[in-house]
Amino acid sequence: QVQLDESGPGLVKPSATLSLTCTVSGTSINIHNWWSWIRQPPGGGLEWIGEVYFNGDRNYNPSLSSRVDISVGESKKQMSLTMISVTAADTAIYYCVRNKGHSFDIWGHGTEVVVSS
Amino acid sequence: QSALTQSASVSGSPGQSITISCIGTSGDFVNYDLVSWYQQYPGKAPKLIIFDVTERPSGVSPRFSGSKSANTASLTISGLQAEDEADYYCCTLTRINGRSTYVFGTGAKVTVL
Repeated sequence: QVQLDESGPGLVKPSATLSLTCTVSGTSINIHNWWSWIRQPPGGGLEWIGEVYFNGDRNYNPSLSSRVDISVGESKKQMSLTMISVTAADTAIYYCVRNKGHSFDIWGHGTEVVVSS
Repeated sequence: QSALTQSASVSGSPGQSITISCIGTSGDFVNYDLVSWYQQYPGKAPKLIIFDVTERPSGVSPRFSGSKSANTASLTISGLQAEDEADYYCCTLTRINGRSTYVFGTGAKVTVL
């Protein structure tokens, strides 16, 4: 059974860098092709942040591409999201997600990130 | 930024059928052949219920069905049940400013009366 587990700091100061990790169990990142990060602000809708392929190829949402980096760990069991220069608008629940073709079939439980001083 | 608009709320009585629409709102290209739908309960992660417009993942009730026509994708819930009360989001691949990106709809809250 494939499971995704996000982890991160919870609270980040404005203008700082946010770093999140997704640990994959039940499979390896190099067995399935693309993996994504998706976020949801409080009371809001879903926003795709970007995706990574097991070989390191990446695609990003154009609205976030200047501030975001997604990478795969050496063990192929972890994926990371780094976002620079965060503001209150980046406060959200961040989900690690497995792509299935052009849809998203397995989601982590999400990790809440609050940007506040 | 959303290029997909959904009705904010849809309601129906148990046993009825309801349809949620998902309409492209900008001049950017929206790929209606790749539409997927997600169900989300409060405080929970979204769940994939339809992919590639009409396909259902294993284990998803056949009461959920998807379709598309022209510039609109739709999700129909037949035989509405109390457990269907949730938020529903459409999603597809679109091209914004020449770059491909996934975009979600604005979301629709389904209420079972």
